[in-house]
Amino acid sequence: DQQVKQNSPSLSVQEGRISILNCDYTNSMFDYFLWYKKYPAEGPTFLISISSIKDKNEDGRFTVFLNKSAKHLSLHIVPSQPGDSAVYFCAAPSFGNEKLTFGTGTRLTIIP
Amino acid sequence: NAGVTQTPKFQVLKTGQSMTLQCAQDMNHEYMSWYRQDPGMGLRLIHYSVGAGITDQGEVPNGYNVSRSTTEDFPLRLLSAAPSQTSVYFCASRQGQGGSYEQYFGPGTRLTVT
Repeated sequence: DQQVKQNSPSLSVQEGRISILNCDYTNSMFDYFLWYKKYPAEGPTFLISISSIKDKNEDGRFTVFLNKSAKHLSLHIVPSQPGDSAVYFCAAPSFGNEKLTFGTGTRLTIIP
Repeated sequence: NAGVTQTPKFQVLKTGQSMTLQCAQDMNHEYMSWYRQDPGMGLRLIHYSVGAGITDQGEVPNGYNVSRSTTEDFPLRLLSAAPSQTSVYFCASRQGQGGSYEQYFGPGTRLTVT
């Protein structure tokens, strides 16, 4: 039962353009979402998060949008840079908040 | 702060061997977790702990044991290694209840079982 889904395993974007990574969830009890970035041979690192009381959160080039009615969130990266090439995971804390459920990840490749 | 540390970085085991993956954190975090990452499967939770002496199972606990005798350490034991346990293992920690949801990850252990 995949409660957090990332349906695009990979995405290629030209440098300087916008990258949009998508994530869908099925559990309406989720009220907080996080995005993690992972480079090869390293552990995931936290990127940005959003609470369900908001529909948008911005941090520099990164913006996360949340559509609760559609159970959908997206991460926008503008402008995309070569260093953004990585695997991106969305995640949500469980109801008891003691663990995170992760999506399967999207590999983003920025083309110079 | 070293953050979350994991040893070893790489390990090769034969089927049936046992071993312990070490994880330590120096941030005084209450919650610690073990994940495995496999191609196309994302990060799947193996076991987690909400404090010293308290552990619970995640999505894929079979074949693994954990214990949490101190706040800092959370070792993962493979009882009898199988090729299906070939994976990259990540340990993570975060503040406890009421704290940030952000988890901090270690650099990972790449395990191959032949």
